[in-house]
Amino acid sequence: GAVVSQHPSRVICKSGTSVKIECRSLDFQATTMFWYRQFPKQSLMLMATSNEGSKATYEQGVEKDKFLINHASLTLSTLTVTSAHPEDSSFYICSARGYDRDSNQPQHFGDGTRLSIL
Amino acid sequence: TQLLKQSPQFLSIQEGENLTVYCNSSSVFSSLQWYRQEPGEGPVLLVTVVTGGEVKKLKRLTFQFGDARKDSSLHITAAQPGDTGLYLCAGARQAGTALIFGKGTTLSVSS
Repeated sequence: GAVVSQHPSRVICKSGTSVKIECRSLDFQATTMFWYRQFPKQSLMLMATSNEGSKATYEQGVEKDKFLINHASLTLSTLTVTSAHPEDSSFYICSARGYDRDSNQPQHFGDGTRLSIL
Repeated sequence: TQLLKQSPQFLSIQEGENLTVYCNSSSVFSSLQWYRQEPGEGPVLLVTVVTGGEVKKLKRLTFQFGDARKDSSLHITAAQPGDTGLYLCAGARQAGTALIFGKGTTLSVSS
């Protein structure tokens, strides 16, 4: 089945640091990737939709200057949390969806990145 | 406004019991997916339903999509401790759009 690799799996860093998270589709071309944030024991909250070669679409309330998304190729999207602060600590998960005629193709998720800002 | 209402939020049962998780909405969805997530990991897709009235079975799990494509259910027969986890329903309002997630159901099955 489709595999999505997310790296790193865990990051612990000081306040003010910028952190980059990578999301790769390993066996398919992902025209669209999604970035989610999840708080403990809660569901996934969509942050932004990333389409290859174009600017990401951010959900209401998500700061685009804070969470920089780049989808430079059909297999890689990155999320950079700029000048991270303790309130940015969370579990960040990416998902990817390929393109085919079946537009109901499901999303496949990475294993998430646990970000802890001290 | 919560577009997809998932219930119950928490469920704690004994091994061998049956259970049903519901996902309801006033909106129509193009497709609906069920995921299972374990702590510290990403969600794993269990099933996708796209046709109103559709029923899919995955071993002891039965998934149903409502006739009007506004609701779905997940039924687990003879639950086992290995079924413990967070179950998430997620729907796409239109084909190709981002998924909207329910709040999830945390299932705990004790032996």
